[in-house]
Parts: sequence; structure tokens; C-alpha cells
Amino acid sequence: AQRVTQPEKLLSVFKGAPVELKCNYSYSGSPELFWYVQYSRQRLQLLLRHISRESIKGFTADLNKGETSFHLKKPFAQEEDSAMYYCALKGNQGGKLIFGQGTELSVKP
Amino acid sequence: NAGVTQTPKFQVLKTGQSMTLQCAQDMNHEYMSWYRQDPGMGLRLIHYSVGAGITDQGEVPNGYNVSRSTTEDFPLRLLSAAPSQTSVYFCASRRSGVGAWRGSTDTQYFGPGTRLTVL
Repeated sequence: AQRVTQPEKLLSVFKGAPVELKCNYSYSGSPELFWYVQYSRQRLQLLLRHISRESIKGFTADLNKGETSFHLKKPFAQEEDSAMYYCALKGNQGGKLIFGQGTELSVKP
Repeated sequence: NAGVTQTPKFQVLKTGQSMTLQCAQDMNHEYMSWYRQDPGMGLRLIHYSVGAGITDQGEVPNGYNVSRSTTEDFPLRLLSAAPSQTSVYFCASRRSGVGAWRGSTDTQYFGPGTRLTVL
């Protein structure tokens, strides 16, 4: 079964501190993974995807198939990073995009 | 392009009432889907459609119906509202259908959400 787990509901850090939002997945095939972000009063939007190996707004995420993880990292958090972050998995069953429970990131000044 | 639009933004219903949440996209996207967002539960897929005339169930389909008569529209119907359906509902769309999405870089776009309260 496809499953995405984000173990932290809330992550609070100070500005300038490193941040890591955890994401673990369960999928028997070859997954494609994404991070979506929802800023206050805005709609959900794509932050990055693992196949692009990109860095967006200073965030990176590496797919670790051995640990079935796709953690989101940023070396120096900014206040504007405060938002809800969702990890998502795209399987090959109907093309569904399955989301984790979400982690609220709060960056304090 | 307006992107993905949803109406209404807010709705209050009484238990047992029915209503339809509207979703439309003007990007000629094949794939559309509905999610509900609940605290601690994340986004859960209700129903999805890979093209006009084709719909399928997601993780939490009970109590909801959908239809896809046109490419643009994907309404979500609550047949008999229950307090457990109090949630924020998001519609989403992307260009590719099932077969074409594997390995594609299509982005899934979301609507602004409908906040529904069932008393």
C-alpha cells in the first residue's frame, strides 16, 4: 500500500538555524516524491520534486531508497519559511498523489 | 488563465442537507481530483478523474459523489451531510492523465479551497 508519514506535526526553530522536515514512505515500486507548501492564506503549491534534484528557496530533499525517506532540509531557516509542508508520493496506480499528514514549520525571529 | 477555481469559499450546512462543491479549471487538464484537509490527517484523496467521463475512488470516498461530464468541471456532491464531513476541501488538476504522468514533470495545481462546516 502507498503511504506517506510525516512524524512531526509541528517543528519550531529560530531564524538562521538548520531545519529538517522528515518524510518516510511506503511503496513497493519505484516512487516519485514531492514536497508541497502551503503558506498562510494561500493555496497549496509545489515546492520541489525529487526527479528534478533541484534546490528551491534554499530547500533540498534527497530520496533515500534504503531508508525509504525523503527529508526536506534547509541550512538556514528564514521567517518567511513558516508554513505547512506536505510530503507527497506519486505511485503508478491511477496516477494518484498521496499526501502525508503535514508538518507545520514555525521560524521564530 | 484563472487556474483552478472553487466555489463557494465558505459553506455552513445542517446535518442531512445536500450540496455541490464546484471546481473548474481552464488549463485543459486531463486529471482532476478532490482532497479534504483535516488537522493531523493531512490531505486525503476523495475522488479523482483521469479524463472526461472517467472517475474513480480515492482513500475516503464514502458520502461523496463526483462526475466529469466536461474536461473543465469536476463537481463534488455531498449526498447527506454529516458533521464528520466538516473540513476544508481542495480541488486539484494536472495536465497528464494516468499513462502519461509516469515520469512526467507535470505539476499538480490546487484551488483555493472550500471551508465546509456541518452542524
